[in-house]
Amino acid sequence: EVQLVESGGGLVQPGRSLRLSCAASGFTFDDYAMHWVRQAPGKGLEWVSGISWNSGSIGYADSVKGRFTISRDNAKNSLYLQMNSLRAEDTALYYCAKDTVARAFDIWGQGTMVTVSS
Amino acid sequence: SYVLTQPPSVSVAPGQTARITCGGNNIGSKSVHWYQQKPGQAPVLVVYDDSDRPSGIPERFSGSNSGNTATLTISRVEAGDEADYYCQVWDSSSDHYVFGTGTKVTVL
Repeated sequence: EVQLVESGGGLVQPGRSLRLSCAASGFTFDDYAMHWVRQAPGKGLEWVSGISWNSGSIGYADSVKGRFTISRDNAKNSLYLQMNSLRAEDTALYYCAKDTVARAFDIWGQGTMVTVSS
Repeated sequence: SYVLTQPPSVSVAPGQTARITCGGNNIGSKSVHWYQQKPGQAPVLVVYDDSDRPSGIPERFSGSNSGNTATLTISRVEAGDEADYYCQVWDSSSDHYVFGTGTKVTVL
């Protein structure tokens, strides 16, 4: 079964850091680019960051550039998001998503919730 | 940055046709993808590359794209189609992925 499982979310104070993980199974992980997409409570979807199959190409939304770092470990079939200098506006459900040749997201995890609050 | 605009809501009676628009500058030159998100669930890809359907998605879901508007059409709407729908493109000029503002479809 094709599956993405996120972990690492929680409650964190403004200015602190958090690292999210996404475990992939059921497909050849190192064949595909992977992404993080977030959704603030009651709001729409926002692309956060993406990484190519070999980590050679990485992109970030302007809202997180310089604070978040995406990475992957193909040997462990895992995707990561290191989030530093967290702000209240980073509060959201963070989804891990698999890319396709069409640059659409065909597989999504169930998400991990990040709450930034003092 | 590239902006995709959707109507906040669309209402439709069961058995009728719902059309959800996604507006963007020259969006017809891009590949548009559509997602369905039901409450408490992750998004599901329902149309990709303007008009193709992933395996398992009913033929009732179709898409088109031309000029400055892409459209997701849901034919013979069912109660189970009630959800939020998002369009999405890849903007090559910024190498960013962009989502539309989202449309809530209500089945009357």
